[in-house]
Amino acid sequence: EAGVTQFPSHSVIEKGQTVTLRCDPISGHDNLYWYRRVMGKEIKFLLHFVKESKQDESGMPNNRFLAERTGGTYSTLKVQPAELEDSGVYFCASSQVNYNEQFFGPGTRLTVL
Amino acid sequence: GDSVTQMEGPVTLSEEAFLTINCTYTATGYPSLFWYVQYPGEGLQLLLKATKADDKGSNKGFEATYRKETTSFHLEKGSVQVSDSAVYFCALSDFDSNYQLIWGAGTKLIIKP
Repeated sequence: EAGVTQFPSHSVIEKGQTVTLRCDPISGHDNLYWYRRVMGKEIKFLLHFVKESKQDESGMPNNRFLAERTGGTYSTLKVQPAELEDSGVYFCASSQVNYNEQFFGPGTRLTVL
Repeated sequence: GDSVTQMEGPVTLSEEAFLTINCTYTATGYPSLFWYVQYPGEGLQLLLKATKADDKGSNKGFEATYRKETTSFHLEKGSVQVSDSAVYFCALSDFDSNYQLIWGAGTKLIIKP
């Protein structure tokens, strides 16, 4: 069974540009989560999808971040326009049921110059 | 709100030394507790978990016991190996956090041969 995959593994962009991160969850997992770790600090929750619906987006930092999960399969996280403080590692995770173990992808390291 | 505090790193040990990484939590409910590990160049992996008081999670020689009286979940291993070098994250989830993972800051462990 394939695990959670994320693309790209690393992205370097300039301030003001747009970047789109993609996450493919484990097949059959209705729950999909985005987290990020900024500058060696603790990992922070961004949002949670159940199928295609946003269950909880309380962790989204501002309206420059837009997450979608069309068709309840893969998800994208767009940052537009990117700022320096958006640099960090963005993790995606999925689970079958909300309170079950979350399986993580390898992360996307975003560097904004 | 819920929070997790873990000892700052890096922690540097010699091979075969005893390891303890402290983790304490604050939660209003009855959280599940987790240790995740991130090996160099890889994603987050669940190392072990405990879902109720006095439960002991164990995996790969690592252990942690859910201590409700001290609100702690310290990670221990009797004899570390160079291959244990990684970043270790303590985390919790519960109903009050809508089962989001609440994370500690991570502890980098360096094992020298």
